[in-house]
Amino acid sequence: DAKTTQPPSMDCAEGRAANLPCNHSTISGNEYVYWYRQIHSQGPQYIIHGLKNNETNEMASLIITEDRKSSTLILPHATLRDTAVYYCIVKGGKLIFGQGTELSVKP
Amino acid sequence: DTGVSQNPRHKITKRGQNVTFRCDPISEHNRLYWYRQTLGQGPEFLTYFQNEAQLEKSRLLSDRFSAERPKGSFSTLEIQRTEQGDSAMYLCASSPRRAPGQFFGPGTRLTVL
Repeated sequence: DAKTTQPPSMDCAEGRAANLPCNHSTISGNEYVYWYRQIHSQGPQYIIHGLKNNETNEMASLIITEDRKSSTLILPHATLRDTAVYYCIVKGGKLIFGQGTELSVKP
Repeated sequence: DTGVSQNPRHKITKRGQNVTFRCDPISEHNRLYWYRQTLGQGPEFLTYFQNEAQLEKSRLLSDRFSAERPKGSFSTLEIQRTEQGDSAMYLCASSPRRAPGQFFGPGTRLTVL
């Protein structure tokens, strides 16, 4: 299974864009990149996924590099409620969670 | 609320007792997953059902653990002879056949004294 590397923590000012990076240099050609987040004391929440092209939905945008070895999750206007642990996962089916990035959105 | 539900939300038990958790997935989701999460760690995969068939089990799922999904609807996870190391949040997730993403329930927090 492809392994992912994320910074353990990040801060972001409320209203600014939060850019969360993820390295997945061992990703194989048919593996998708998934992002989930987990707000304290809740179950994880699916955010977005992509294969090669950049993707956008109502929650976030996903930018995948051309070589697919890394990606960035963008929350365009972070709010206090976006404070959570964000997980980048490379695999469908059973999810293999790493340590994730703890994002703190500050007023 | 049509999300994934889990019961109970909290369970405190004494070491050596058996416990059973229930997960009700989103209606018509044929895939159901169980995960375990300990403090400060990401969730770890335990087992996966497609309809009523248990298709994969993690090595984490020792013989004290058993999961069922009769009739392909709700699922139960039973832990026999609980140990203090079983204390964790047990998460259930479901997904439909041809859609990405898993929908997680709120979890059952188990404390073994």
